[in-house]
Amino acid sequence: QQPVQSPQAVILREGEDAVINCSSSKALYSVHWYRQKHGEAPVFLMILLKGGEQKGHDKISASFNEKKQQSSLYLTASQLSYSGTYFCSTGGGNKLTFGTGTQLKVEL
Amino acid sequence: GAGVSQSPRYKVTKRGQDVTLRCDPISSHATLYWYQQALGQGPEFLTYFNYEAQPDKSGLPSDRFSAERPEGSISTLTIQRTEQRDSAMYRCASSLGAGPYNEQFFGPGTRLTVL
Repeated sequence: QQPVQSPQAVILREGEDAVINCSSSKALYSVHWYRQKHGEAPVFLMILLKGGEQKGHDKISASFNEKKQQSSLYLTASQLSYSGTYFCSTGGGNKLTFGTGTQLKVEL
Repeated sequence: GAGVSQSPRYKVTKRGQDVTLRCDPISSHATLYWYQQALGQGPEFLTYFNYEAQPDKSGLPSDRFSAERPEGSISTLTIQRTEQRDSAMYRCASSLGAGPYNEQFFGPGTRLTVL
């Protein structure tokens, strides 16, 4: 089953923060986060492997709670370049299942 | 190569025709994935290869879909007797190895339109 993301869409002003949530009905072994800009291929952001793990990448970080079967992506001090659709994807075996997606738009 | 490449970038075909899409992964990558992506949706898994082996075909929608990677490098996805519902973006991705712990690098995709 597909992970569910919330919110579905969000509009930010440059410099604002956002949180994107990802929930799965299945046990999670890993969570990947990807960003896809309009008309382009998804681009890898980060992988989280362990329960409670947090990772950071510039001003984008994420947490993974395997007990709650949830992951969250945190975008701090958003920039125009952050605009796009964000997907979480969960791994089981050798196959990724992508979430429902969150459209993020950053405006001046 | 430097990145994942796919050809053709766009393909328009008539219902009932066969089409073959090609993927050239990053040269050091053992694992290659095929996805189907509908507009506004995330990629949906079709199949994957570890070198030339194809351990999982569970995402292929019907037996009209098949994929090959005979020499463990370039892969092709063939759709026989295309139907309008096959219209979608088909994306290929590659990773260093199999398993959910490796990041996947996506190609630009082939936009298939079946008339």
